[in-house]
Amino acid sequence: GAVVSQHPSRVICKSGTSVKIECRSLDFQATTMFWYRQFPKQSLMLMATSNEGSKATYEQGVEKDKFLINHASLTLSTLTVTSAHPEDSSFYICSALQGGNEQYFGPGTRLTVT
Amino acid sequence: AQTVTQSQPEMSVQEAETVTLSCTYDTSESNYYLFWYKQPPSRQMILVIRQEAYKQQNATENRFSVNFQKAAKSFSLKISDSQLGDTAMYFCAFWTNDMRFGAGTRLTVKP
Repeated sequence: GAVVSQHPSRVICKSGTSVKIECRSLDFQATTMFWYRQFPKQSLMLMATSNEGSKATYEQGVEKDKFLINHASLTLSTLTVTSAHPEDSSFYICSALQGGNEQYFGPGTRLTVT
Repeated sequence: AQTVTQSQPEMSVQEAETVTLSCTYDTSESNYYLFWYKQPPSRQMILVIRQEAYKQQNATENRFSVNFQKAAKSFSLKISDSQLGDTAMYFCAFWTNDMRFGAGTRLTVKP
């Protein structure tokens, strides 16, 4: 099956710094990728839809200036958490869309902001 | 807006028994897809089963089957012959142009 990778799997950063998370589709091209956030013992919440070559679409309540998304190629989308704060600590999951609705998920990135 | 409701936060079942997880959804769309995902402790999302709304026949994947009631907007998952490896969080999800997840059901299979 299709494989999606995320890097890093875990990251710890200091408050006020920025951190970048990469999402790659390894064996297929994805014009659309999604970014989710998952707090402990909660569900996945869609943050934004990332479209190759165009601006990301953010869900209501998600600060686009804080969560910068760049989908520069058909196999790579990046999420940059700018000026991170402890409340940004969470599990971030990406997925890549193959075909109309076949979604493949990355393994997730655990972000801890100290 | 689409909403997905899973009313069972936690469930448990004895190994080899059958368990059913409930899911209801609300939408005004006529064309959509429904999914059940499994999230084990590794937190990797694993597709269990999918159902196209235009298909009346319930989807089946080995020990996993769904009961799709479109008029009632219900989409339950039945796991037969439960195995210890089935222990995980299970999320019901709804797709039109993006995916919306339910709150999840934590399933524990007991030996």
